[in-house]
Amino acid sequence: GNSVTQMEGPVTLSEEAFLTINCTYTATGYPSLFWYVQYPGEGLQLLLKATKADDKGSNKGFEATYRKETTSFHLEKGSVQVSDSAVYFCARNSGSARQLTFGSGTQLTVLP
Amino acid sequence: EAQVTQNPRYLITVTGKKLTVTCSQNMNHEYMSWYRQDPGLGLRQIYYSMNVEVTDKGDVPEGYKVSRKEKRNFPLILESPSPNQTSLYFCASRATGTSGYEQYFGPGTRLTVT
Repeated sequence: GNSVTQMEGPVTLSEEAFLTINCTYTATGYPSLFWYVQYPGEGLQLLLKATKADDKGSNKGFEATYRKETTSFHLEKGSVQVSDSAVYFCARNSGSARQLTFGSGTQLTVLP
Repeated sequence: EAQVTQNPRYLITVTGKKLTVTCSQNMNHEYMSWYRQDPGLGLRQIYYSMNVEVTDKGDVPEGYKVSRKEKRNFPLILESPSPNQTSLYFCASRATGTSGYEQYFGPGTRLTVT
């Protein structure tokens, strides 16, 4: 079936550090891939997405590239801020797009 | 403002007492879904609905019911709640036929069953 494996946290970084959160997915079908972010006490918000191989999603300084050859969709940011502290979820949809499968989430804390 | 709303936001109840969590969206989305979030497990889909009167099971449907009588509403029903249903619940919606199929999430309902 469909699954998403995400780098376990928590991750603690200093402000302006480089961030990578690894995400791999099962290679069934031709999924769209997503990164969602959950700020404390809130619901999930879409951070970025990619709908086909080699697409790069980007938003708010975050980037992720859809790599079909390695079945990966790693999240990166060159310089994190305290306000980036949140839980990050990688997700893929099913072939029919009826279901969204999430990774377990990675808690990021950025210290000033 | 485009949004998904859920009520209540917090609920503490006892085993066996039926409850309903409401979900409503104002974006005219065809697709709606319920998830539960548990530590270390991410979000798991409970039920989803492709349109009015069309519902289907997700990955963890046991102990839950849903209905979709109107396009904007998708209530989650726990007929006889048990402590293992203590969780954080999210409703989501999206348009169909949209590239990337972005889902919009409600703020969450934290349920405690004692």
